[in-house]
Amino acid sequence: KAGVTQTPRYLIKTRGQQVTLSCSPISGHRSVSWYQQTPGQGLQFLFEYFSETQRNKGNFPGRFSGRQFSNSRSEMNVSTLELGDSALYLCASSSGENYGYTFGSGTRLTVV
Amino acid sequence: AQSVAQPEDQVNVAEGNPLTVKCTYSVSGNPYLFWYVQYPNRGLQFLLKYITGDNLVKGSYGFEAEFNKSQTSFHLKKPSALVSDSALYFCAVRDKTGGFKTIFGAGTRLFVKA
Repeated sequence: KAGVTQTPRYLIKTRGQQVTLSCSPISGHRSVSWYQQTPGQGLQFLFEYFSETQRNKGNFPGRFSGRQFSNSRSEMNVSTLELGDSALYLCASSSGENYGYTFGSGTRLTVV
Repeated sequence: AQSVAQPEDQVNVAEGNPLTVKCTYSVSGNPYLFWYVQYPNRGLQFLLKYITGDNLVKGSYGFEAEFNKSQTSFHLKKPSALVSDSALYFCAVRDKTGGFKTIFGAGTRLFVKA
């Protein structure tokens, strides 16, 4: 059974640019959540999608957005990149509320 | 709002000794509680969960955790630590009424010395 797949693995962008990250959950998982991981802030919740609907959103500016497609694949977009957006972005999927997450390997974004 | 506190940035233990990594939580309703581990250069992995029932739950790699409702704690334990247990450990809480939104603690780095 394939795990959670995130692409790309690494990205280098310039301030002011925008970026799109992709996540394919485990087959059959309808819930996808996104997290930002930085050394100083730990794991910060970005948003959660279930059946194409955003059910929860963390405390991030509107520059951070996402969506989920009918096949449960999800994308997140960050516009007008800032240096502080440099982080590891993790995607996680789950089969139900009683179950833990399966995480992808993450996309490491560096903003220069 | 949900929150998780891991009061120790780092825990040091000798191999063969028992280990405890502490976690306290705050949630408005009844919680789902989780522990995850992140090994160097590897992704986050699920270790164990508390949903309901027995307060002592067992998970992967010989780890267990004890749910204490009155103290709102969910400490991770292992009777005998291995050097290979050295990693970053995260406690997480999910509000049963909040969908899948899961809040993570800041993490505790465990060092097991041979």
